[in-house]
Amino acid sequence: GEDVEQSLFLSVREGDSSVINCTYTDSSSTYLYWYKQEPGAGLQLLTYIFSNMDMKQDQRLTVLLNKKDKHLSLRIADTQTGDSAIYFCAESPPSNTGKLIFGQGTTLQVKP
Amino acid sequence: GAGVSQSPSNKVTEKGKDVELRCDPISGHTALYWYRQSLGQGLEFLIYFQGNSAPDKSGLPSDRFSAERTGGSVSTLTIQRTQQEDSAVYLCASSKGSGNTIYFGEGSWLTVV
Repeated sequence: GEDVEQSLFLSVREGDSSVINCTYTDSSSTYLYWYKQEPGAGLQLLTYIFSNMDMKQDQRLTVLLNKKDKHLSLRIADTQTGDSAIYFCAESPPSNTGKLIFGQGTTLQVKP
Repeated sequence: GAGVSQSPSNKVTEKGKDVELRCDPISGHTALYWYRQSLGQGLEFLIYFQGNSAPDKSGLPSDRFSAERTGGSVSTLTIQRTQQEDSAVYLCASSKGSGNTIYFGEGSWLTVV
């Protein structure tokens, strides 16, 4: 089946780096995404990476892609309490006509 | 605004009633998606529209669920004879087309009592 796997929970202290990991299933996925969902809110597109890239950096966010292992990670530098949310990784396999396959989400808890 | 707009943002309905949820995609986006997020669950794909092509309805959980997209823009998701297990957040998303970045709305929070 098509399963995108994420760990369910991560707790860090404010100011530390957070690393959220994800494994996906379809090596032909064109885009890989990270979405953020704050309590009571919808999904916010955080960042995405093309499958032909290894790394993408956007301010405090760094996305690393290992296509061989089908592993995606999101690193948040200098984590703040406002980063507390659920982070979803998603893949977009070409065979799925652009539909996204989501992981279960990782709840990030940032302690002051 | 310029994002995906959904209404109502919150809806409480009695079991057995029909509900309609509306989605206004980003202007110019030809692809439109509906997803469902149940409490503590991940995101479940429901239906996908792309231009004038026949929609991909493979994710609709039962024949009580239907969706249409008029004029290639606004979409309505209809749930007939609602059940308590239909309580969830219904998220709409749009993109310029298959393979392009997908943007989500804030969701319609449905509670069936």
